Amino acid sequence: GNSVTQMEGPVTLSEEAFLTINCTYTATGYPSLFWYVQYPGEGLQLLLKATKADDKGSNKGFEATYRKETTSFHLEKGSVQVSDSAVYFCALTVPQGAQKLVFGQGTRLTINP
Amino acid sequence: GAGVSQTPSNKVTEKGKYVELRCDPISGHTALYWYRQSLGQGPEFLIYFQGTGAADDSGLPNDRFFAVRPEGSVSTLKIQRTERGDSAVYLCASSPLGGRDTQYFGPGTRLTVL
Repeated sequence: GNSVTQMEGPVTLSEEAFLTINCTYTATGYPSLFWYVQYPGEGLQLLLKATKADDKGSNKGFEATYRKETTSFHLEKGSVQVSDSAVYFCALTVPQGAQKLVFGQGTRLTINP
Repeated sequence: GAGVSQTPSNKVTEKGKYVELRCDPISGHTALYWYRQSLGQGPEFLIYFQGTGAADDSGLPNDRFFAVRPEGSVSTLKIQRTERGDSAVYLCASSPLGGRDTQYFGPGTRLTVL
């Protein structure tokens, strides 16, 4: 079946540190890959996405590259800010039927000043 | 414009009761999804509507769960004979046409079954 495995949290970093949150997937066919973010007290928001192999999604200084050979979509940011503190979810959809999102379990990130 | 809205934001009920959770999608979006998020987990798919019809209900856990979207806009998720294990945050998302379109999420309804 289709599944997503994320780096377990929580992750705590200092401001301006480099961030990597690992994500690997299992899917039938060629999925689209997503990172969603949930800030405290807010709903899920799309952070970035990539729809085919070697695509790089980017937004707000975050990047992730769709790696088909390693079935990975790791999230990176060069210099994190306190405002990046949130829960991050990696997810996929497969290009058949409803294209429902399949999520990982989430990684809670805390950035200390 | 207005995003996806969900009401109520919080619902506390007793085991065995019936509850309804409402979702107002973004105007004009034909695709609507319901997900359930248990504590510490990622959201899990429940049901997908394309217009008025439930195109995929494979995620509904059992026949106590039912959802409708009679006019192709607002959707209601209905849970009969609630159980403590139904406690979770119920999320609604909509997208313009479904398929590869981005899904936009509402803030969720936190359901607590005592």
